[in-house]
Amino acid sequence: SQQGEEDPQALSIQEGENATMNCSYKTSINNLQWYRQNSGRGLVHLILIRSNEREKHSGRLRVTLDTSKKSSSLLITASRAADTASYFCALAWGAGSYQLTFGKGTKLSVIP
Amino acid sequence: NAGVTQTPKFQVLKTGQSMTLQCAQDMNHNSMYWYRQDPGMGLRLIYYSASEGTTDKGEVPNGYNVSRLNKREFSLRLESAAPSQTSVYFCASSENRLARIEQFFGPGTRLTVL
Repeated sequence: SQQGEEDPQALSIQEGENATMNCSYKTSINNLQWYRQNSGRGLVHLILIRSNEREKHSGRLRVTLDTSKKSSSLLITASRAADTASYFCALAWGAGSYQLTFGKGTKLSVIP
Repeated sequence: NAGVTQTPKFQVLKTGQSMTLQCAQDMNHNSMYWYRQDPGMGLRLIYYSASEGTTDKGEVPNGYNVSRLNKREFSLRLESAAPSQTSVYFCASSENRLARIEQFFGPGTRLTVL
């Protein structure tokens, strides 16, 4: 399937450090979304970036999109223990598409 | 607002048994989705309903059926459960209108098929 691939698969950092995770994909997209999943819970939408946008911010989150490289990055600044979770990129392929394709996720551990 | 609710939270079935997973949303969303999540995997779309009265297959529809009962409710049925259907099932909904396309997820149903 045309899913995104997150990198790294796992990331462990100290509280207060920044965390960066990446998502690469192979074909053109309409938009890319990032979701967080705490252990054993449902996913929570974090941020959406459209194909004509290059950067978006939401609180401590910064997302970039490079359509020429077919990649996106999610930066979490000044991480907290509560940021410990799995982070997934989700791709929407066409305008008006109802379907999202999820990657396998990056598991982030923030050590207090 | 409860958001997206799913029942049951846990279920154990024997091979060949049937069951229906229930999902309801109170956000007046147009679209609803069923996903499964297996260890080390992302979510895979089973079926979705773009709007009330329509349903479409996703990536992994085999062995499942769905019903969009009304705008609020979207159920997933396993007619003859198989061990390969052991998974965590998530229901989601989205408005899919006026650029509001983010999905809201329920807490999940953990299903084990013996």
